[in-house]
Amino acid sequence: GAGVSQTPSNKVTEKGKYVELRCDPISGHTALYWYRQSLGQGPEFLIYFQGTGAADDSGLPNDRFFAVRPEGSVSTLKIQRTERGDSAVYLCASSLRTSGSIYEQFFGPGTRLTVL
Amino acid sequence: LAKTTQPISMDSYEGQEVNITCSHNNIATNDYITWYQQFPSQGPRFIIQGYKTKVTNEVASLFIPADRKSSTLSLPRVSLSDTAVYYCLVHNTNAGKSTFGDGTTLTVKP
Repeated sequence: GAGVSQTPSNKVTEKGKYVELRCDPISGHTALYWYRQSLGQGPEFLIYFQGTGAADDSGLPNDRFFAVRPEGSVSTLKIQRTERGDSAVYLCASSLRTSGSIYEQFFGPGTRLTVL
Repeated sequence: LAKTTQPISMDSYEGQEVNITCSHNNIATNDYITWYQQFPSQGPRFIIQGYKTKVTNEVASLFIPADRKSSTLSLPRVSLSDTAVYYCLVHNTNAGKSTFGDGTTLTVKP
């Protein structure tokens, strides 16, 4: 079956511009996560959704970052007034659940964002 | 969330068994231990997860001592294609947030 997909795969923008990054999770997965990964570092948690609601947004770096998941499936990460420091690979993952016993997160290939 | 510590890098040769140890001294009662593998330009991929003692699947084994303050990922008979970054996570069963460290870069040589 289809895995997690992310679009676009690459995005180049200019400082100060607004960008949207899209994530299509695996069908039926109720939990969705966004991470940011800089070169040579592990993924950094940004936010996770359980259904339509953001259950934990403690990783969002500031109010320029916002994410939505209006119908409990597709999610969009929105970045306003982009800065050069926002350049990174943005990863999306989904899972069947977040609590209880063993579960795994399925990651997409990521969107590479470059802010010039 | 418990902080994890892993070696930055490891080298091995094809056919050898590789053991990567992760320290998580502040692990809580509700925390599970999960390992992911990541290849360049790809998202991480789940390898194995456990709570205590030993867990084995088709690709790896996970050893967790009784105090759970560390864990060891064991990869039997590695091949060149196992060259990747390996991440140890400690995840609370009651929260969705996962904290990745900087991982261990494993290089398998011919």
